[in-house]
Amino acid sequence: GAVVSQHPSWVICKSGTSVKIECRSLDFQATTMFWYRQFPKQSLMLMATSNEGSKATYEQGVEKDKFLINHASLTLSTLTVTSAHPEDSSFYICSARWYTSDTDTQYFGPGTRLTVL
Amino acid sequence: GENVEQHPSTLSVQEGDSAVIKCTYSDSASNYFPWYKQELGKGPQLIIDIRSNVGEKKDQRIAVTLNKTAKHFSLHITETQPEDSAVYFCAASKNSASKIIFGSGTRLSIRP
Repeated sequence: GAVVSQHPSWVICKSGTSVKIECRSLDFQATTMFWYRQFPKQSLMLMATSNEGSKATYEQGVEKDKFLINHASLTLSTLTVTSAHPEDSSFYICSARWYTSDTDTQYFGPGTRLTVL
Repeated sequence: GENVEQHPSTLSVQEGDSAVIKCTYSDSASNYFPWYKQELGKGPQLIIDIRSNVGEKKDQRIAVTLNKTAKHFSLHITETQPEDSAVYFCAASKNSASKIIFGSGTRLSIRP
């Protein structure tokens, strides 16, 4: 199956700083990637849809100036949490769409745990 | 928008027995229904999916059924094993290029 990686796997930062999380599709090209946030014992909530070469589409209630998304290539999307605060502490997960003539499926990365002190 | 409801929230079964998780969805335009298994501290792993032109799909001990008329779909795990213990999420989407809406999750525990 397709492999999606995230880096870092965990990060601790001070309040007010910015953190960048990378999402890579390792063995396939992904024109579309998605970013999710998951709080403890809750489901995944979609934050935004990232399309290569264009602006991301944010879900209602997600601040685009706070969660900057850049999908610069067909294998890399980044999420930058700007001016992080403790309430931004969460598990951030990306997914990438693998599309061929035989398959059309989203695969998820392993997640990045962000802790803001 | 799409809403996906999932039941039960927790499920405990004896090793070797079957487990069934049920979901309903609201948007009749949804035609792609993946199921994910999430272990603690990890990302969701796709275990099986079904598209609206199929009523049932099976992969070894895992099967999924879809009733488009009733907007129901279910996950069936037979001959459960300890490694099946995890949180399972159902989801619905219009296609994999569209956003996936997740159910609330089912925490499955397999009793030895």
